[in-house]
Amino acid sequence: EPEVTQTPSHQVTQMGQEVILRCVPISNHLYFYWYRQILGQKVEFLVSFYNNEISEKSEIFDDQFSVERPDGSNFTLKIRSTKLEDSAMYFCASGEHSGNVNEQYFGPGTRLTVT
Amino acid sequence: DQQVKQNSPSLSVQEGRISILNCDYTNSMFDYFLWYKKYPAEGPTFLISISSIKDKNEDGRFTVFLNKSAKHLSLHIVPSQPGDSAVYFCAASVNSGYALNFGKGTSLLVTP
Repeated sequence: EPEVTQTPSHQVTQMGQEVILRCVPISNHLYFYWYRQILGQKVEFLVSFYNNEISEKSEIFDDQFSVERPDGSNFTLKIRSTKLEDSAMYFCASGEHSGNVNEQYFGPGTRLTVT
Repeated sequence: DQQVKQNSPSLSVQEGRISILNCDYTNSMFDYFLWYKKYPAEGPTFLISISSIKDKNEDGRFTVFLNKSAKHLSLHIVPSQPGDSAVYFCAASVNSGYALNFGKGTSLLVTP
């Protein structure tokens, strides 16, 4: 069964450093998403991406964040200058969204630890 | 701003019995609702969804009920199995392709 994959599974970085989190969405899906979950809190939406552009973003997704689909398979989230509060699980998701169906399929996540 | 609320942080049910997980929402623009199951150190796994034009959707042991007037939905698992023990998240969106708003989750424990 097709699934969303994410790399790395765990990333440790120092405050102020840039990180790139990688995702391979399900191949026939057209909509891509990043979410995060800070320890003990709910899953929060960051950004959605469709047709090679951002379709929606949350207040969390400020100028420090960017997304890219550099080729036909990868979808990346870059944090330019990490802060301690960026420490969280980051989940990539994808969906095909035919009709009004909004089923999103999540990857296993990348645990980002900022020290 | 909690637009999706799961007021029970935990629930314990005996194997074979029915598990009922509840979710309330405040945004009347939500028109699509989903339930996800999550094990520790894994991503959320899609379980079942329902559009606002329906009031019930069933898939095997899982049934989701939607009461639009009460802005309430529930997930029924019958019969419950120990492997169902996980955190269950309710999520909602306003339109196809838009962000999912998640609740804080309910931890279900199914005991043998």
